[in-house]
Amino acid sequence: DTGVSQDPRHKITKRGQNVTFRCDPISEHNRLYWYRQTLGQGPEFLTYFQNEAQLEKSRLLSDRFSAERPKGSFSTLEIQRTEQGDSAMYLCASSAAGVDNEKLFFGSGTQLSVL
Amino acid sequence: QKEVEQDPGPLSVPEGAIVSLNCTYSNSAFQYFMWYRQYSRKGPELLMYTYSSGNKEDGRFTAQVDKSSKYISLFIRDSQPSDSATYLCAMYDYKLSFGAGTTVTVRA
Repeated sequence: DTGVSQDPRHKITKRGQNVTFRCDPISEHNRLYWYRQTLGQGPEFLTYFQNEAQLEKSRLLSDRFSAERPKGSFSTLEIQRTEQGDSAMYLCASSAAGVDNEKLFFGSGTQLSVL
Repeated sequence: QKEVEQDPGPLSVPEGAIVSLNCTYSNSAFQYFMWYRQYSRKGPELLMYTYSSGNKEDGRFTAQVDKSSKYISLFIRDSQPSDSATYLCAMYDYKLSFGAGTTVTVRA
């Protein structure tokens, strides 16, 4: 399967713990996006990378959130000191820079539950 | 005001009916307009893609964009129970901005 892969699919953690999610984009896709989706809402943009450069971060991305894409391939999203309000589906998407860069392909997401 | 407003659901229709979904937007910079389909506990899947104003047809699906009114629509003809899902409109400048989604149930 050459789609966007996210790991883990589900994560249950206690408030105050740190969590890290991984995303493997479609091979050769230069752009990688992170979105967050809560029940009954559409995905909300968090941040995106072109290759290894993080080009924009949403105001939704508090200081407790950090994303990296060290070699321009996979990406990680870390949430420190989790809060109950962080419970959501975290979606990763990738697209090819240049032609068709507007077509984002999403992974199945990581469902985070903070107890 | 959100950048993208989507008609709230849910919608429940009998099999074979036409489903009509609509969104409005406020950002004139949007040039690309998409519809994504999302099944429960899955990521969104790109369904239809339109550049600028006009219509696009793909099988039973028709997407319409009216940039002058900042209004987009998706029509599903001859709806099937397998079309039951949440449909999300999305618009692109350098990132996708999504509507809240409309959950559609097609009753057999």
